[in-house]
Amino acid sequence: DQQVKQNSPSLSVQEGRISILNCDYTNSMFDYFLWYKKYPAEGPTFLISISSIKDKNEDGRFTVFLNKSAKHLSLHIVPSQPGDSAVYFCAATLGRDDKIIFGKGTRLHILP
Amino acid sequence: DGGITQSPKYLFRKEGQNVTLSCEQNLNHDAMYWYRQDPGQGLRLIYYSQIVNDFQKGDIAEGYSVSREKKESFPLTVTSAQKNPTAFYLCASSVAAGGFYNSPLHFGNGTRLTVT
Repeated sequence: DQQVKQNSPSLSVQEGRISILNCDYTNSMFDYFLWYKKYPAEGPTFLISISSIKDKNEDGRFTVFLNKSAKHLSLHIVPSQPGDSAVYFCAATLGRDDKIIFGKGTRLHILP
Repeated sequence: DGGITQSPKYLFRKEGQNVTLSCEQNLNHDAMYWYRQDPGQGLRLIYYSQIVNDFQKGDIAEGYSVSREKKESFPLTVTSAQKNPTAFYLCASSVAAGGFYNSPLHFGNGTRLTVT
């Protein structure tokens, strides 16, 4: 049973436009959500996170939005750049737990 | 430079052989983790360790074993009992287990294991 779902395996976006990556979750007890970015043959790197008590967190070109009632979060990248082409993993955690639960990832292609 | 080193980057083994993947970190992190990535499967937790000489099973621990004799090292052994060992293996660490909001996972660059 997948608790963190990324339903789009891939997404293509024109350079300079906005990229929106979506993530849904089932466990309403998750208290923190994170996004990781992964290039081929490398480990994921932490990108941005958001606490469940907030609905938005912004860091430069990256903004994460959280809709708790819909159990949905999204990562917005604007403007999209060629170096943003990667796989993006959504992840969630329970504060009292020792584990992060990852989604299956969405591969983002930035088109020239 | 502080970081996590996984070696080797590529590893080939014959079916039926045990193989050990190395993971070393010099970040002084207490917690270490092993994940497995398969195409279209995301990251799945194999084992994790919050402190030296202690470790817990993750979601897919069957066919794997670990040890944590030193804070810096968390080797993973893929045994012959693991039915589908071919995968990309990622080691990670964090300052402390839990509370990932202020201690995100730091990943190594992975080891791609191919068993034939």
